[in-house]
Formats: sequence, C-alpha cells, structure tokens
Amino acid sequence: NAGVTQTPKFQVLKTGQSMTLQCAQDMNHEYMSWYRQDPGMGLRLIHYSVGAGITDQGEVPNGYNVSRSTTEDFPLRLLSAAPSQTSVYFCASSYATPGLIEKLFFGSGTQLSVL
Amino acid sequence: DQQVKQNSPSLSVQEGRISILNCDYTNSMFDYFLWYKKYPAEGPTFLISISSIKDKNEDGRFTVFLNKSAKHLSLHIVPSQPGDSAVYFCAASAKTNFGNEKLTFGTGTRLTIIP
Repeated sequence: NAGVTQTPKFQVLKTGQSMTLQCAQDMNHEYMSWYRQDPGMGLRLIHYSVGAGITDQGEVPNGYNVSRSTTEDFPLRLLSAAPSQTSVYFCASSYATPGLIEKLFFGSGTQLSVL
Repeated sequence: DQQVKQNSPSLSVQEGRISILNCDYTNSMFDYFLWYKKYPAEGPTFLISISSIKDKNEDGRFTVFLNKSAKHLSLHIVPSQPGDSAVYFCAASAKTNFGNEKLTFGTGTRLTIIP
C-alpha cells in the first residue's frame, strides 16, 4: 500500500533552473494539494485540486504551477527557481465528501535547496 | 497574519504524565479543526479532529477540546509515551462554496517525552 509517493526526496537547484516535483497517490482520492514547510512558518498551502482538471491557488502560489490531468498525479512545477523556494515540500491527498475535506494523507516530503 | 497560532514551540513532559498542547485561532469562520503529528523525515500523519458543533472528541489516549468563545483548542495526551515525541501541528478550515478545502496550519509544537 504505497499511499502518497513523492519524488525526488532531495534536490539541489541553481537559481533560474526549472524542475517538477512529482506526486502520485493510489487511493483514488479526489483532493490533492501541495504544502511547503519552513522554519517558524508551519505548513503553507501552495496549490490544491478537488478533482482531475480542477486546480486552485492556496496561500503561497507565486512561482509555482500545477496541473491535474489524472486523478492519481498532481505535479508541482517551479519555472524559475529562486533561493526563497528553498523548503521542504509535501504533497497530500484526501477523500472529498460533499462539504468536507477530511483528513489529509501526506507524502514523505521533498527537500529542495536553491543556490 | 497567522490565523492559527501555536505559541509554545516546544514542550517537555515526563513519561506517564499528561501532555497538553494548545492552539489559538483568529478566524471565526473556522468550523473544522485537526491535529497532525510529524516525525523527522516523514510527512505529517492525522491524529484527531473536531467539528465546531462539538466541544470534545476522544480517541484512545488523545482528546481534543474546543472552546469556540475563546477561539482555543487543546490536545490532551494521557498517559504520555516516548513514542509521542514528535512535532504536533494544529490545523483549521472554513467552509466555502465547495467545502472545507483549505487547511490552515499552525507553526507546530515539538513535544519531548522524558523517560
């Protein structure tokens, strides 16, 4: 039972480089989301999706793009990496019952450093 | 503007005693609250939740209390065990047209259980 799988686990980028953080879940969850965790800031929502073809912005969306072409996958794209994007990134998914997103299942995270 | 606040960055408790973790929120529209537990190098895992229509919810050793008038919730762990040593995040969401699709997290409290 894989749950939520994130790749890569670690990544170092140079300023201006682009990359995609991958996230896949095998629980048939409709809801998927990306968070970043920074010291003293807790977890902040970047983007989320309530189903294939539907995405929306969270609290800190600037500098990130997402798409949701399948139920299983929700990649996060950094088009031009900046040192301020150095963080630990978590993907999470959940059942989406009408009117309530229930508990989130998180991946193990991607540690990203931008030099 | 931190809408969910965990004012104690760390807490140490003797094994077998009660651990009390606190969380305050400012947004009166929040109507669903959750606690997550996080070990190093892992993603957060769901612990317990409470709806605003309740003031208490229990699950084994874990109890969450909600005081809506004070905009305060707390997590009680009794008895505390060494495996409870982790970072605990409080989270809250408000109902939108779709549902509670955005979780706002606090900054976390590191709990250390002393054997």
